[in-house]
Amino acid sequence: GQQVMQIPQYQHVQEGEDFTTYCNSSTTLSNIQWYKQRPGGHPVFLIQLVKSGEVKKQKRLTFQFGEAKKNSSLHITATQTTDVGTYFCAGFTGRALTFGSGTRLQVQP
Amino acid sequence: GAGVSQSPSNKVTEKGKDVELRCDPISGHTALYWYRQSLGQGLEFLIYFQGNSAPDKSGLPSDRFSAERTGGSVSTLTIQRTQQEDSAVYLCASSRRESGRRTDTQYFGPGTRLTVL
Repeated sequence: GQQVMQIPQYQHVQEGEDFTTYCNSSTTLSNIQWYKQRPGGHPVFLIQLVKSGEVKKQKRLTFQFGEAKKNSSLHITATQTTDVGTYFCAGFTGRALTFGSGTRLQVQP
Repeated sequence: GAGVSQSPSNKVTEKGKDVELRCDPISGHTALYWYRQSLGQGLEFLIYFQGNSAPDKSGLPSDRFSAERTGGSVSTLTIQRTQQEDSAVYLCASSRRESGRRTDTQYFGPGTRLTVL
């Protein structure tokens, strides 16, 4: 079955440092979504990427979808303590979404 | 409603008992999903309903798990003869539609934290 891998599992950064999480799928994806889950909360949708090579920005967050539509990345510039949480990618192949295992981000003030 | 709601928010049960978890999706959303999240882990897909189509049950871990969706709205996830390894947060999500090869944004409920003693 489809697998979606995310790395790293955990990252601890100093406030102001950059952060990147990577997502890789075993199969080509129709689209990929990114979610953020704050500690104790539930996943909240951030963005969806559909096109090969697509890049989208949301303030300090930059999302990329690979040319082969099998990988994606989320980059946060100059992290803030409000960025703390777990970031999940989720790939869609035509059935339900398959979520990656998530990257937990801790930001040291 | 304003968002996806789930009940109960917390459920403590004894091993061997049956439990029912409820999900009220956003009104008008045709797709409904159940996921399980163990402590510190990712989201494990359980089951997916889309409109009147037969549900995708491929993620259910055993035949002790079942779910139904009545009238295309409310869904109930039932776990029979609960075991300690069933302890997790059970999340429900709904989305507006599935269109061709794309899925719409999923809106998650707050989850039900199940503890099996």
